Amino acid sequence: AQKITQTQPGMFVQEKEAVTLDCTYDTSDPSYGLFWYKQPSSGEMIFLIYQGSYDQQNATEGRYSLNFQKARKSANLVISASQLGDSAMYFCAMRAGAGKSTFGDGTTLTVKP
Amino acid sequence: NAGVMQNPRHLVRRRGQEARLRCSPMKGHSHVYWYRQLPEEGLKFMVYLQKENIIDESGMPKERFSAEFPKEGPSILRIQQVVRGDSAAYFCASSLWGTGAKEYEQYFGPGTRLTVT
Repeated sequence: AQKITQTQPGMFVQEKEAVTLDCTYDTSDPSYGLFWYKQPSSGEMIFLIYQGSYDQQNATEGRYSLNFQKARKSANLVISASQLGDSAMYFCAMRAGAGKSTFGDGTTLTVKP
Repeated sequence: NAGVMQNPRHLVRRRGQEARLRCSPMKGHSHVYWYRQLPEEGLKFMVYLQKENIIDESGMPKERFSAEFPKEGPSILRIQQVVRGDSAAYFCASSLWGTGAKEYEQYFGPGTRLTVT
């Protein structure tokens, strides 16, 4: 069984500063993918970043980077230079093969001006 | 290339009515997944389908809920005799069977927000 844990229900960050959103996971599958999604108040799920379990380097996509520590089973999302538009709900998810994705309960990020 | 399409975007049903939610996967994708998101919660897996086959329905409630993905046409999630607890956002996702990173890519539709009055 797969499990995703996001321990921060809510986070605040000052505009232009960096913020780290925590995610730990548990799985017995040797091969898996880790994802982060953003869900703004409008409700759609926006894909942000992907990390494969065998990837040697941490994934980066613009202002988003994933701090992947395989031994600790953590996949934290780092957002640099926060913007007001980053205020949203953020979900960590994992997927092994072609099966279902397992999601965490999410972290609500609020960016303060 | 159009993304995953879901309709309707918003659906209001009275208790006891039926709700039909439609999902058209991305072109070329033959795997469809349905997830439910209750207010203030994460997405919970419901069912995984390929064309004309249910692969994994471990997240589907045993009664009133059914899903299909016919050879032609969209995937349908059907909820019979809806109750207030069915009010939620229902997301569909699709993927392309592949290897490496592509094996994991899953694209989400905009969701259908069901309100049961």
